[in-house]
Amino acid sequence: GAVVSQHPSRVICKSGTSVKIECRSLDFQATTMFWYRQFPKKSLMLMATSNEGSKATYEQGVEKDKFLINHASLTLSTLTVTSAHPEDSSFYICSARDFEGTQETQYFGPGTRLLVL
Amino acid sequence: SQKIEQNSEALNIQEGKTATLTCNYTNYSPAYLQWYRQDPGRGPVFLLLIRENEKEKRKERLKVTFDTTLKQSLFHITASQPADSATYLCALANNQGGKLIFGQGTELSVKP
Repeated sequence: GAVVSQHPSRVICKSGTSVKIECRSLDFQATTMFWYRQFPKKSLMLMATSNEGSKATYEQGVEKDKFLINHASLTLSTLTVTSAHPEDSSFYICSARDFEGTQETQYFGPGTRLLVL
Repeated sequence: SQKIEQNSEALNIQEGKTATLTCNYTNYSPAYLQWYRQDPGRGPVFLLLIRENEKEKRKERLKVTFDTTLKQSLFHITASQPADSATYLCALANNQGGKLIFGQGTELSVKP
C-alpha cells in the first residue's frame, strides 16, 4: 500500500513557540491531505482538509490562524501550531488520498506526538 | 448530529476464536464504511472498505458486513491471533476518499 510519513514523530516545546509538522506521501502524489488530532483513548477528529495549491478547509471550531496548513506540493503538506499552549498537546495524524483503480483510499501517517510545556 | 458508536468495552477473546466488533451510526447515510486498525502511538492502517450497496466484504481472515437498514456494520476476525490485538476503528464517508468520521474505536485483546 501507499506510504505516508510524518516528521517529527514527537516534539516537546515551550508554551508560546510555534511547531511545524510535515506530512509526506512517499510513493504517490496526493492533491488532498487531511489533518486529524487524537486525544488518549479518543477517536480521531478531523481538523482540516488540505488541498494542493489552494487554501485549506477547516472544520467547525478549528482556528485557522492557530493551525496553519500549507500544501505547497503534491507530496507535502505542513501543519504549523502557532503560539502553542499546553492544551494543544495531542497526537496529530495526517492522511493522504490515493487512487487504486476505481477506489480512493486514505493512507495515514504514523502520527506526531506534541507536548507543550 | 451524526453519531457513531463502537463497542465501548474492550473485547477480550481467546486465540483461535472469532472476534466480532460492532459499529452503529445514527443521523447519517454514508456511501462508504471503512475499518482501520490502530496500534498504540501509531496512525491508523486501512483494512477494508465496503460500499452502501454491498452487504459483505472479505479479505483473508477479515469479514465486514454493512446493513444500511439497521445502520450497522459488523467486523469479524476469524481464527484470531495475539498479533490481532489492537484498537479497531470504523469510519464513515459520503464520498470515496472524502472526509472520514471516525468511531471511538474498540480495543481488542487476543489471549494465547
